[in-house]
Order: sequence, then structure tokens, then C-alpha cells
Amino acid sequence: DAGITQSPRYKITETGRQVTLMCHQTWSHSYMFWYRQDLGHGLRLIYYSAAADITDKGEVPDGYVVSRSKTENFPLTLESATRSQTSVYFCASSLGQDNSPLHFGNGTRLTVT
Amino acid sequence: RKEVEQDPGPFNVPEGATVAFNCTYSNSASQSFFWYRQDCRKEPKLLMSVYSSGNEDGRFTAQLNRASQYISLLIRDSKLSDSATYLCVVSRGFKTIFGAGTRLFVKA
Repeated sequence: DAGITQSPRYKITETGRQVTLMCHQTWSHSYMFWYRQDLGHGLRLIYYSAAADITDKGEVPDGYVVSRSKTENFPLTLESATRSQTSVYFCASSLGQDNSPLHFGNGTRLTVT
Repeated sequence: RKEVEQDPGPFNVPEGATVAFNCTYSNSASQSFFWYRQDCRKEPKLLMSVYSSGNEDGRFTAQLNRASQYISLLIRDSKLSDSATYLCVVSRGFKTIFGAGTRLFVKA
């Protein structure tokens, strides 16, 4: 049971470069989410998706793009990375129903230099 | 005001102690409640769901008071391995709101 996997685990990139973080889940969960976690801010929702080809903005979407062409994949792209996007990024999935919790991937630690 | 508020701690307790965390939420339409545990820089993991009747899982007891919009987590007989950050989580359908977390240190 692979669950939800993120890649890469660690990434260092330069300001202005495009970078894509991958997320794959094997549960066929309808909902998928991208969060970032920074000291002093807790978990903040970037984007979420209710199903394939349906995505919507969360609390902090600026500078990010998502797509969901297949139910199991939900990549997050930083179109032109900035230092403020240095963070730990978590992907999560859920059934999206009452009492269905989020299940998280093990995170991607991104550093933008 | 944040939608989910927790005391950030840290709580420093000796092994074997009982410790309680509280959490308040502001939206009365909230439907589901959870406690997650997060170890340093790792992903949050579900500790337990919280039900109106209260529920227990081993040394952990969670309670919900809908009238006061208050959730609690009690840890009995603390272990060194309980040291972590505990996140209070509230949801309405797919929308999930995380508290900032309460830091617990259990010392030998």
C-alpha cells in the first residue's frame, strides 16, 4: 500500500527557475491538496482539487500552478521560483466527506537560492 | 482571530505525567474534528478523530464540546516518544483548517 508519495524529497533551485513538485496517490481519493508549512505560519493551503480537471485556489496560491489530468497525480509548479517560496511542501488527499481525514505525503523540502 | 486556536506551548512534562491540550474553533458549522501529530519537519499524521461522545485510544482521550466549540486531548502516562507537535484540526466537508499546533516535550 504505497499511499501518497511526493518527489523529490529535497530540492534546491535558483531564483527565477521553474520547478515542479510531484504528488501521487494510490487510494483513488477524490480530493487532493497542496500545503506549505513555514515557521510561524503553520500549514497553509495553496491549491486543492476535487477531482480530475477540477482545481481551485487555497489561501496562498500566488506564484503556483497546479494541474490534475489524472485522479492519482497532482503536480505543483512554481513558475518562477522566489526566495519566499523556500518552504516544506506537503501534498495530501482525502475522500472529501465528513469524518474523512487528510492523509499526507512525506513532504518536499524546497530551497530557493 | 484564527478559526482554530491552540496554545502553542511548549509543554514540558516528565515521563509518566498526564497532560492535556485544548483547542477552540470559531465556526459553529464545523462538522468533523481530529487531532494530528507532527514530528519535527515530518508530515502530519492522524492521531485520532474526535467524536461528540468522547473517544479513547489507549493512553489518548479526545473530547468535543460543540456548545463551547472546544476540543481537548488528554495524554496519560506520557512517554518520551510522545514528544511532538499536536495539531487540532477542524473540517467542513472537504475544507480542513489546521491549528498552529501545541509543542510537547516529554523528559526522562
